[in-house]
Amino acid sequence: DAGVTQSPTHLIKTRGQQVTLRCSPKSGHDTVSWYQQALGQGPQFIFQYYEEEERQRGNFPDRFSGHQFPNYSSELNVNALLLGDSALYLCASSLRNSPLHFGNGTRLTVT
Amino acid sequence: GEDVEQSLFLSVREGDSSVINCTYTDSSSTYLYWYKQEPGAGLQLLTYIFSNMDMKQDQRLTVLLNKKDKHLSLRIADTQTGDSAIYFCAEKGAGSYQLTFGKGTKLSVIP
Repeated sequence: DAGVTQSPTHLIKTRGQQVTLRCSPKSGHDTVSWYQQALGQGPQFIFQYYEEEERQRGNFPDRFSGHQFPNYSSELNVNALLLGDSALYLCASSLRNSPLHFGNGTRLTVT
Repeated sequence: GEDVEQSLFLSVREGDSSVINCTYTDSSSTYLYWYKQEPGAGLQLLTYIFSNMDMKQDQRLTVLLNKKDKHLSLRIADTQTGDSAIYFCAEKGAGSYQLTFGKGTKLSVIP
């Protein structure tokens, strides 16, 4: 039973560029959440997708957008990258109110 | 916004018990969670407790919740070197889909 899978594992981008991160939820899960974890910090909620709609959004600018596909997989897009966007991006999946299960994350470095 | 606080470091000897503490501000918290993060990895769900419970035991793990004081603790019995990691406390408020995390407690186990 595959858990939450994320790709790529590492990514290096230049300021001003755009990036797309991908996530496949755990089998049987229908809800995907994205979190940003800066070095030495706890994860911060970006948004959650359910039934292909953004259901709740955290305190992140519009440069952060997402999508959920009919097969429940999801993408996180970040436009106009800033140095401060360098972080570990974590995807988590769940089924209704069940606890979140996290993937291993994508490490994004912006230079 | 709501806040979750944890002490940053804890050091224990192998075989001793570890107690990691957490306080939170959200009086509407419904679920509280403990996650473990090893270097270079995502978050692993350890255990969680519903807010109308005051204790939950799961093998070596014991969670205590004092809802009046908004205090949560995780006790690890017979701590092993493999327990060395960062432990995150997180809470979920009523009507919200996001988890609010603390900054994590780094547990070091001395052989």
